[in-house]
Amino acid sequence: GAVVSQHPSWVICKSGTSVKIECRSLDFQATTMFWYRQFPKQSLMLMATSNEGSKATYEQGVEKDKFLINHASLTLSTLTVTSAHPEDSSFYICSAPRTGLTGELFFGEGSRLTVL
Amino acid sequence: LAKTTQPISMDSYEGQEVNITCSHNNIATNDYITWYQQFPSQGPRFIIQGYKTKVTNEVASLFIPADRKSSTLSLPRVSLSDTAVYYCLVGERNAGNMLTFGGGTRLMVKP
Repeated sequence: GAVVSQHPSWVICKSGTSVKIECRSLDFQATTMFWYRQFPKQSLMLMATSNEGSKATYEQGVEKDKFLINHASLTLSTLTVTSAHPEDSSFYICSAPRTGLTGELFFGEGSRLTVL
Repeated sequence: LAKTTQPISMDSYEGQEVNITCSHNNIATNDYITWYQQFPSQGPRFIIQGYKTKVTNEVASLFIPADRKSSTLSLPRVSLSDTAVYYCLVGERNAGNMLTFGGGTRLMVKP
């Protein structure tokens, strides 16, 4: 079964509104989670690293005020797309590292955002 | 970070063995090689990981030559359900060091 769960799996919103996506680690704690964005037919692009109890680290070119990340607990990270525009429409995927020195990532099911 | 290069796409038929090669010429001594599978509209799923020589699990084998500048993911007797995008990643085995996805290889399995 899934060890990382995302919600919602899909969302449609109007331009200018904000949308929150939740990422939960199931049955394990994740002090770090990673958020990716994927456009159709393209690869995953790392957006930011979510750190429990501290500020997220954003990749170059990703607007931190646009994509708000909160890692409020050891099992939950949220991504809020603020003032969404059609160009923000994408597939957002979160991941959490497997416990131990493996480098393996568990990925959520993904959340498809469509901004009208 | 070691950059990876994979073929953009591959076609195969059911029952055949498929080998997908990934080039990582700048791989570092402490780097491991990890492969993921991604179906449309789903998050990637871990397939296999290795450091050198050969690794095998219930779904695939990973062949890594002595110079480690490339690796080959081998899928035995593919089925239609193996149609997916396959990504290889290279990096150290701790959180935050194996995060960069390359272009991946889009495998199409035909009946």
